[in-house]
Amino acid sequence: AIQMTQSPSSLSASVGDRVTITCRASQGIRNDLGWYQQKPGKAPKLLIYAASSLQSGVPSRFSGSGSGTDFTLTISSLQPEDFATYYCLQDYNYPFTFGPGTKVDIK
Amino acid sequence: EVQLVESGGGLVQPGGSLRLSCAASGFTFSSYDMHWVRQATGKGLEWVSAIGTAGDPYYPGSVKGRFTISRENAKNSLYLQMNSLRAGDTAVYYCARAYYDSSGYAFDIWGQGTMVTVSS
Repeated sequence: AIQMTQSPSSLSASVGDRVTITCRASQGIRNDLGWYQQKPGKAPKLLIYAASSLQSGVPSRFSGSGSGTDFTLTISSLQPEDFATYYCLQDYNYPFTFGPGTKVDIK
Repeated sequence: EVQLVESGGGLVQPGGSLRLSCAASGFTFSSYDMHWVRQATGKGLEWVSAIGTAGDPYYPGSVKGRFTISRENAKNSLYLQMNSLRAGDTAVYYCARAYYDSSGYAFDIWGQGTMVTVSS
């Protein structure tokens, strides 16, 4: 199974900060990667798919990049509603695997 | 409104069985792959199973041979039969719709989750 890692595991940031989260796959997965946001007690929400495609309705401050093994989620200007945990997911092959998550909290 | 609603969670003893259901509405259920994802309290997301539009199932090693995913398109319903349950299966279980287009594939619609607790 493909292993996914994320860094950092957590970060503290202020409103307005630029935030970058990295996801790495244990083998090449083309651009078959999505990013999901989850708030406490809620279901995950799709932000980005195919590494860089913004899901409809998601604010443009979210962007994704990368291909192969290294991927990045960037929030250009952190907003109060963005404090959450972020997960990457590879859908290149089964079994699909999530990264361990990155918790973004308030500095 | 496009919606997924899970049910069937509860408390079950180790070694027991439970069947989860996911009711879909607002879209053509038969046209989409469907997935189950779980999350233990305070832990990350874990992909549990998938079923294609043709009924082809997929599982990770952690549940293969114990869990069975199925779908009933006439009832717009997804199921997860869980047997030989262990304490480690305790989690909130989400069903999710898989969206795909020319760019890629993703879980675009999620249910609210149903809690499964395996304990004596």
